[in-house]
Amino acid sequence: RKEVEQDPGPFNVPEGATVAFNCTYSNSASQSFFWYRQDCRKEPKLLMSVYSSGNEDGRFTAQLNRASQYISLLIRDSKLSDSATYLCVVNDNQGGKLIFGQGTELSVKP
Amino acid sequence: GAGVSQSPSNKVTEKGKDVELRCDPISGHTALYWYRQSLGQGLEFLIYFQGNSAPDKSGLPSDRFSAERTGGSVSTLTIQRTQQEDSAVYLCASSSSGYEQFFGPGTRLTVL
Repeated sequence: RKEVEQDPGPFNVPEGATVAFNCTYSNSASQSFFWYRQDCRKEPKLLMSVYSSGNEDGRFTAQLNRASQYISLLIRDSKLSDSATYLCVVNDNQGGKLIFGQGTELSVKP
Repeated sequence: GAGVSQSPSNKVTEKGKDVELRCDPISGHTALYWYRQSLGQGLEFLIYFQGNSAPDKSGLPSDRFSAERTGGSVSTLTIQRTQQEDSAVYLCASSSSGYEQFFGPGTRLTVL
């Protein structure tokens, strides 16, 4: 079983749609959780951290369920510029390595 | 301010040759990480430096791979006797807090 699992997609959605990505992780002791965004042939960039209480940044909402070891990302009113690969990322201990999911590809069409 | 920089941006080499990849972290960042991303694969961790020491090198795939960091700054990743399966994008990241990691643009390595 992979340490971090995501649906690879691709998700093809029209502009303005709401899209949700899900991710599960295997290590119940994992401490930090993130969503990164990676554009084609570019480096990953932090989109947002994920907290148990849920957190929102504009059109983006992230949620963590520790009991189910499940992380989600919701994108509302999707824009063409949201087209990218979204990476679910887990850190098992502060300061250490990041463990990446395979990524979910999103394509937003006009 | 300057971000993480890596050189070269692209490297084409012949099987069996040695290659050296360089990473310049963000100034003041004590933690430095190497990852690689192969076609169709996710990002996989290679090695982590805190200062000049490497507390976690568990991701290095074989003894052909080595890395060092000097002066708590620049790091080099060396791959000896390259094989075709070493072809990938090698990404470096740095962090001041051990929490958010900032990635460089990567070195695209092609082994012919």
